Amino acid sequence: GENVEQHPSTLSVQEGDSAVIKCTYSDSASNYFPWYKQELGKRPQLIIDIRSNVGEKKDQRIAVTLNKTAKHFSLHITETQPEDSAVYFCAANSNSGYALNFGKGTSLLVTP
Amino acid sequence: ETGVTQTPRHLVMGMTNKKSLKCEQHLGHNAMYWYKQSAKKPLELMFVYSLEERVENNSVPSRFSPECPNSSHLFLHLHTLQPEDSALYLCASSSIRGDRSHETQYFGPGTRLLVL
Repeated sequence: GENVEQHPSTLSVQEGDSAVIKCTYSDSASNYFPWYKQELGKRPQLIIDIRSNVGEKKDQRIAVTLNKTAKHFSLHITETQPEDSAVYFCAANSNSGYALNFGKGTSLLVTP
Repeated sequence: ETGVTQTPRHLVMGMTNKKSLKCEQHLGHNAMYWYKQSAKKPLELMFVYSLEERVENNSVPSRFSPECPNSSHLFLHLHTLQPEDSALYLCASSSIRGDRSHETQYFGPGTRLLVL
């Protein structure tokens, strides 16, 4: 089946630094790439998404870049804050259009 | 948040029990999903319903049986589960357009299931 690889699995940064999480996907038909944040004991929540017709999207401190040729996309968080600490999941839609294939998640810890 | 709700939030069951998980969405969506989230594994899609019709079934064991009576409700019936089925079961919903282009999936809070 389609595969989404996510790295790193854990990431620790100091408050104020930037954090970057990278994902690769295998299905060349994928055209929708959301990122979810899941805090401990809570549901995954969408923080940003990108479609294949753009290469970059930004929302305040969060940005996502997409390289369709290389089949990889990345999440960038600038000026990190302790409340950014959570598990982040990337995903790519499948060729059926309905399913989302998720990465294994990155546990981000922002230390004051 | 009340967009997607799930009950119960926690469930402990024996391997011979029968139980059901319930999901309800109040967002006017036309697609609903069941996911399994285990420790150190990606979110695993189990079932997808679009307009109350099952459109994906990812090789899930028959001891899990979904039911979608209408576009707002989704059930997961559980029967003779195994301890390895212990996990967080997440429901999600979204809108799917006529061209099957993907819209954002909104997740419920999940049911934490423990099978003894």
